[in-house]
Amino acid sequence: EAQVTQNPRYLITVTGKKLTVTCSQNMNHEYMSWYRQDPGLGLRQIYYSMNVEVTDKGDVPEGYKVSRKEKRNFPLILESPSPNQTSLYFCASSLSQAGDTQYFGPGTRLTVL
Amino acid sequence: AQKITQTQPGMFVQEKEAVTLDCTYDTSDPSYGLFWYKQPSSGEMIFLIYQGSYDQQNATEGRYSLNFQKARKSANLVISASQLGDSAMYFCAMLRLVGGDKIIFGKGTRLHILP
Repeated sequence: EAQVTQNPRYLITVTGKKLTVTCSQNMNHEYMSWYRQDPGLGLRQIYYSMNVEVTDKGDVPEGYKVSRKEKRNFPLILESPSPNQTSLYFCASSLSQAGDTQYFGPGTRLTVL
Repeated sequence: AQKITQTQPGMFVQEKEAVTLDCTYDTSDPSYGLFWYKQPSSGEMIFLIYQGSYDQQNATEGRYSLNFQKARKSANLVISASQLGDSAMYFCAMLRLVGGDKIIFGKGTRLHILP
């Protein structure tokens, strides 16, 4: 089954404790992206990647890192999480450029205390 | 600055009626794309429809159509014959091609279909 998976789905952590949210797709997609969703703000793009080893900042990259060492994986890293990073995070992928249909993962709900 | 505006925070519509969800955008880029996504209460994001800025015809996908008015910079989503399952949050988004394939989203419209 074609899908985007994220892990963990739920995470409660404390300020400053490094964490990684994994994202994996099995559709051989080139384009992958991370978003955060906050009430009243819609979705905001954090980082995106147009291919292996090619990543770029979205609109809200501060406090986040990403890597794209393999085509299928696009982990999101929070080196020192803070409470303002409490949010719902979505990973998405599409075949090539972002104009193609984006497939979203199920979301990761992160709480930083 | 690039911007997407959805002016309707919430809407209530009777089942079987047509629905128009508003979306206006602001960009100086001549080449861009516009999307609509649906987010049911279960939380997943579902792609509905895409319109490229150079597409001559309005995009349609089943009961969904995108009313693209380039001069007015609007990209309204029209849902024909609404169903109870259409109750959800709807997001308009724009693909910016300048400086890479960034995507920006509007704040969303919550649609309630009444039986």
